[in-house]
Amino acid sequence: TQLLEQSPQFLSIQEGENLTVYCNSSSVFSSLQWYRQEPGEGPVLLVTVVTGGEVKKLKRLTFQFGDARKDSSLHITAAQPGDTGLYLCAGAEIQGAQKLVFGQGTRLTINP
Amino acid sequence: GAVVSQHPSRVICKSGTSVKIECRSLDFQATTMFWYRQFPKQSLMLMATSNEGSKATYEQGVEKDKFLINHASLTLSTLTVTSAHPEDSSFYICSAENPFTDTQYFGPGTRLTVL
Repeated sequence: TQLLEQSPQFLSIQEGENLTVYCNSSSVFSSLQWYRQEPGEGPVLLVTVVTGGEVKKLKRLTFQFGDARKDSSLHITAAQPGDTGLYLCAGAEIQGAQKLVFGQGTRLTINP
Repeated sequence: GAVVSQHPSRVICKSGTSVKIECRSLDFQATTMFWYRQFPKQSLMLMATSNEGSKATYEQGVEKDKFLINHASLTLSTLTVTSAHPEDSSFYICSAENPFTDTQYFGPGTRLTVL
């Protein structure tokens, strides 16, 4: 069974600070997706990274896929209170029905 | 707009009754849909893979007779929790896989409370 270790699981920082969330695995994934989830709602897709070494930017969010496609990171610059939420990484298995393996999630709180 | 819808968003039922949750793919035909369960302050746990026109594939430890899945069309999958008990209370989320992008899009979730 493939596992995805996400860290940190909880993070509380002040507005304006930078932060990085990590997802690590010993397994290779065909792609890796980052989601954000609000309480009582389903996860909303932020980005999909497919190619090893790929970097994608979404405004103040920068996503990177490791060269070996085993790990990924999410970096937020100048965090704002609106960034508060649960961030989930999910790796897609290489074979089969593209099942997603989810990390434990990072509960991010940005204090004004 | 929403890509995947779920109905109902909330349901409260008595112990022993069955509850059906619908998941619809609104923007694309989905051969494959997935059902997840999420406990408070935890990540998503995959329950089963729903395949259009064939039997669902259940993850280890998930009772197929308790969680009945039907994927009768390319835009609709249903999850029926049979003879529900309080321990089945949870947040159930479905997703649909876009066959052109291999990306999963999630529904808004269904909060099930069994009294």
